[in-house]
Amino acid sequence: EAGVVQSPRYKIIEKKQPVAFWCNPISGHNTLYWYRQNLGQGPELLIRYENEEAVDDSQLPKDRFSAERLKGVDSTLKIQPAELGDSAVYLCASQHRGHSGNTIYFGEGSWLTVV
Amino acid sequence: GDSVTQMEGPVTLSEEAFLTINCTYTATGYPSLFWYVQYPGEGLQLLLKATKADDKGSNKGFEATYRKETTSFHLEKGSVQVSDSAVYFCALSGSGNQFYFGTGTSLTVIP
Repeated sequence: EAGVVQSPRYKIIEKKQPVAFWCNPISGHNTLYWYRQNLGQGPELLIRYENEEAVDDSQLPKDRFSAERLKGVDSTLKIQPAELGDSAVYLCASQHRGHSGNTIYFGEGSWLTVV
Repeated sequence: GDSVTQMEGPVTLSEEAFLTINCTYTATGYPSLFWYVQYPGEGLQLLLKATKADDKGSNKGFEATYRKETTSFHLEKGSVQVSDSAVYFCALSGSGNQFYFGTGTSLTVIP
């Protein structure tokens, strides 16, 4: 079974430029998460989807961040415009609720550097 | 609210030493508890989990027991290897299906 797939793995952009990250969750997983991980820190939740509905986006900086999961499968996270402080790893994770003790499975992350 | 507190690092051990990384939690209800491991340049991987009190999760020689009376889920391994060098995260899945992660503990094992 394929795991959570993210792209791109690495991205370097200049500040004020836009950037987008894509995530394909594990097949059949209805819950999808986007986390941000700063260097030396644990993951912090940006947004959580149940199918195509964003059920928790309270930590998403909505002035510059947006996300979508149109068909309840793949998801895209966008930053526009990027700031220096957005340099971090953006982790996508998925979960099959009520299954396997609610374990969430992470992708390898998209490593963003804003210069 | 729910939260996880784990031992700060970094931790440096010699190969074959005993490892303990402390993790305590605060939660309402009956959370599930997890340990994830992150190797350099990679995402988080599930190491082990426990879904109810007194459960012991184990994997790759690592163990952790869900202790409700002390609200703890300490990670242990009897003999660490160089390949265990990574960052370890304690996590909790509580009410509302929200996940809470600790800040991570960096482990370096030297030959």
